[in-house]
Amino acid sequence: AQSVTQPDIHITVSEGASLELRCNYSYGATPYLFWYVQSPGQGLQLLLKYFSGDTLVQGIKGFEAEFKRSQSSFNLRKPSVHWSDAAEYFCAVGANTGFQKLVFGTGTRLLVSP
Amino acid sequence: KAGVTQTPRYLIKTRGQQVTLSCSPISGHRSVSWYQQTPGQGLQFLFEYFSETQRNKGNFPGRFSGRQFSNSRSEMNVSTLELGDSALYLCASSLMGMNTEAFFGQGTRLTVV
Repeated sequence: AQSVTQPDIHITVSEGASLELRCNYSYGATPYLFWYVQSPGQGLQLLLKYFSGDTLVQGIKGFEAEFKRSQSSFNLRKPSVHWSDAAEYFCAVGANTGFQKLVFGTGTRLLVSP
Repeated sequence: KAGVTQTPRYLIKTRGQQVTLSCSPISGHRSVSWYQQTPGQGLQFLFEYFSETQRNKGNFPGRFSGRQFSNSRSEMNVSTLELGDSALYLCASSLMGMNTEAFFGQGTRLTVV
């Protein structure tokens, strides 16, 4: 069974500073990997996805993530954080099992300080 | 293109009652999946429907059920509500299910009192 670990519960970053959110997954085969963002009381917005191919994927809002098979990681990065990026970020893994099921990490809450 | 629409956005129910939540997927999407989000358990998969068939179900009691209609709209039902069922229920739609990304609705906030 697949699982996802997001080791950081909270992260505080100064506005304009770079950001890296960590995600480690466990899955026996090639995973499908996703990053979602959630603002308070809202649903999940897809930031980016990895299915195959280039291990560096670009997403919306200036985010990117790198798939590293050897480290079972899919870390999310942004070179310069904006105050509007404050939200909760979820890493998720999907399996190639014939149906849609995502397993989510526990999330990382990003706080942006002025 | 309209996104995923969930209704209602907020619900307050009494313990022991039942509730039905609705999800209209993105036009053309045939897979609808449901998730429960709570502070204690995080995001957990409930079930997934594709072309009116339930393809997979998460580890939830039988009080949680769902269905999908021929137009891909989906409903989930929770019977005999318990306080622990209070949660944000999220619906996601995707084109085919596997190998395609899931787009989420705004969720239905259910409070059981």
